[in-house]
Amino acid sequence: SQTIHQWPATLVQPVGSPLSLECTVEGTSNPNLYWYRQAAGRGLQLLFYSVGIGQISSEVPQNLSASRPQDRQFILSSKKLLLSDSGFYLCAWGGQYDNEQFFGPGTRLTVL
Amino acid sequence: KQEVTQIPAALSVPEGENLVLNCSFTDSAIYNLQWFRQDPGKGLTSLLLIQSSQREQTSGRLNASLDKSSGRSTLYIAASQPGDSATYLCAVNGDYKLSFGAGTTVTVRA
Repeated sequence: SQTIHQWPATLVQPVGSPLSLECTVEGTSNPNLYWYRQAAGRGLQLLFYSVGIGQISSEVPQNLSASRPQDRQFILSSKKLLLSDSGFYLCAWGGQYDNEQFFGPGTRLTVL
Repeated sequence: KQEVTQIPAALSVPEGENLVLNCSFTDSAIYNLQWFRQDPGKGLTSLLLIQSSQREQTSGRLNASLDKSSGRSTLYIAASQPGDSATYLCAVNGDYKLSFGAGTTVTVRA
């Protein structure tokens, strides 16, 4: 069966510091991969998605970036965090056929 | 741009009552629709996936209907239990991207 991992589970970072969140998927090949953010009191916002290695599409302009160095690995990064980057970050994968999406446990990021 | 609306925003019912959660979307050109459950501080759990060609999908006490032409989906939860308390999210899949509603927060009172 397929599983999706995210780490770390929680993170507290100062403003201006770098960020790296990692997501890995097991049990499937060539998945579509997604990064979402859920801010307090707001809905889920799609940040990036990838349909293959090295292929990244950005949905919202921001100081975040994403990379897909391997088929089942998706990384969210920032060079300098802002207060507004605080939120709950969720990684998801979807199949190539129907793209039913499955979510990881999330990373709670607090920027102080 | 696809817009997804969920009504009501919150719902409180006594145990045993049936739940009806509504989702509407503005663009009927969709591939499928997913219903998710989210517990506080947790990720999303996929409950049901309805393909655009389907009218409904069932899993245990859950039944979801889809009327693509009118841009509506309804999630029914039969005989609610306190363990059903959570936020339920509707998401519409268009061009491999999901557009989410804001969710309905359900509380089932014992």
